[in-house]
Amino acid sequence: DAGVTQSPTHLIKTRGQQVTLRCSPKSGHDTVSWYQQALGQGPQFIFQYYEEEERQRGNFPDRFSGHQFPNYSSELNVNALLLGDSALYLCASRVTGRKGGYTFGSGTRLTVV
Amino acid sequence: AQKITQTQPGMFVQEKEAVTLDCTYDTSDQSYGLFWYKQPSSGEMIFLIYQGSYDEQNATEGRYSLNFQKARKSANLVISASQLGDSAMYFCAAPYGGSQGNLIFGKGTKLSVKP
Repeated sequence: DAGVTQSPTHLIKTRGQQVTLRCSPKSGHDTVSWYQQALGQGPQFIFQYYEEEERQRGNFPDRFSGHQFPNYSSELNVNALLLGDSALYLCASRVTGRKGGYTFGSGTRLTVV
Repeated sequence: AQKITQTQPGMFVQEKEAVTLDCTYDTSDQSYGLFWYKQPSSGEMIFLIYQGSYDEQNATEGRYSLNFQKARKSANLVISASQLGDSAMYFCAAPYGGSQGNLIFGKGTKLSVKP
C-alpha cells in the first residue's frame, strides 16, 4: 500500500521563477494538505484541499496556490519565487471525518537561488 | 490561538535507556487531540502516537507512550529502550480549530541516541 508520494524530491529554481510541486495521497484518502518546513523549524500549514476546493488556508501570500484533481492528487504552485521560499514542502493526506493523524510524504526540497 | 511548545532543542540518550521529550500546549478547545511525529533525515514525518483530550488512559504504541497531564497542559512523549534508529527530530502537534483541523507543530526536539 503506497503512502503519500511527492515529486520531485529535489528542485532548484531561480528567484522570480514559478514552480509546481505534486502530491499523490495515500490510497483511500480524500483530503490533502500542504506544509512548508523551513530549516530548523516545524512545518507551517499552507492550505488544505477537499472535493477539489481549498477549504482552509494558513498565513501564506497569494503567490502560493493549489489544485486538487478528481483522483484526489494535488499540486502546489508558487509564483515569483523568493529566496525565503527555500524549504521542504510536505504533503499530507487523510480521510475526512476520521479521527487521527495525517499521513505525510517525504517532501520536496526546494532551493531558490 | 493554538500554540505548541517544545522546550528541548536537543536531547541525548544512551542506547537501551528511556527518554522523555517535553511538549506543552495552549488551546481553548474543549475537545482536542495531540500528536507526536518523528522526522528522520529523509524528511518524511512519521506518525507515532495520538492522545485525545477525553481519553481516560495515556496512549501507548509499542515503545512509545504519552505522559498526558491535562491540568498542566502537557503531553510528553516517552520512548523506552532507545535504539540507534530513534535518532531523529520529534515534533508535537495539535489540530487547529477542532479535531478535524490542520496541524500546528512545535519547533521540535532533536534526539540523538548514543551507542
